[in-house]
Amino acid sequence: DTGVSQNPRHKITKRGQNVTFRCDPISEHNRLYWYRQTLGQGPEFLTYFQNEAQLEKSRLLSDRFSAERPKGSFSTLEIQRTEQGDSAMYLCASSLAGVSNQPQHFGDGTRLSIL
Amino acid sequence: AQTVTQSQPEMSVQEAETVTLSCTYDTSENNYYLFWYKQPPSRQMILVIRQEAYKQQNATENRFSVNFQKAAKSFSLKISDSQLGDTAMYFCAFMKQGGANSKLTFGKGITLSVRP
Repeated sequence: DTGVSQNPRHKITKRGQNVTFRCDPISEHNRLYWYRQTLGQGPEFLTYFQNEAQLEKSRLLSDRFSAERPKGSFSTLEIQRTEQGDSAMYLCASSLAGVSNQPQHFGDGTRLSIL
Repeated sequence: AQTVTQSQPEMSVQEAETVTLSCTYDTSENNYYLFWYKQPPSRQMILVIRQEAYKQQNATENRFSVNFQKAAKSFSLKISDSQLGDTAMYFCAFMKQGGANSKLTFGKGITLSVRP
């Protein structure tokens, strides 16, 4: 069990550019979540996958955001035409469906800074 | 929709002392889970303790225990024998039981500082 891995750890980009983050969940976990955390706040749910199916998207996820999980393994989160308000920590978590009370395991996050 | 409220932004405790972190929540669900997560500075968020709403017995994990009051919708975390490594942000979180989505709803968090 190598844990949830996120890349990159930090991303600095200019406003208007596109960015893509990657999350590799714990290998046997079939559920994968994306959260966004701004300074001094708790994480907020963005979207969730069970295997390769994206089952729910938050209203926070504008049409500039897209997430994929091809083949039900790693996931990517892309933000197009970044805005200053997108600056945040993006957290990925994974868990195993079908096991009651299964906690979510979090990665270290990707910190996005928009100049 | 569920909400989780952590009204204390910061707390401080002397090493070896006991501290209690407060959390209240609001939900119309009857079956759910509650969690406390710890996020050390610039480090990964990790699970501290969890409680199933259907269980009356309060959960304990070594130095960490909860006081779960379902009727009052209160879920506080007690840390005994505080250690310097307990310094972190602590988040209370709610998860609905069952259904297709097990997303977590977090409070704003509380910054705990343990003084040597």
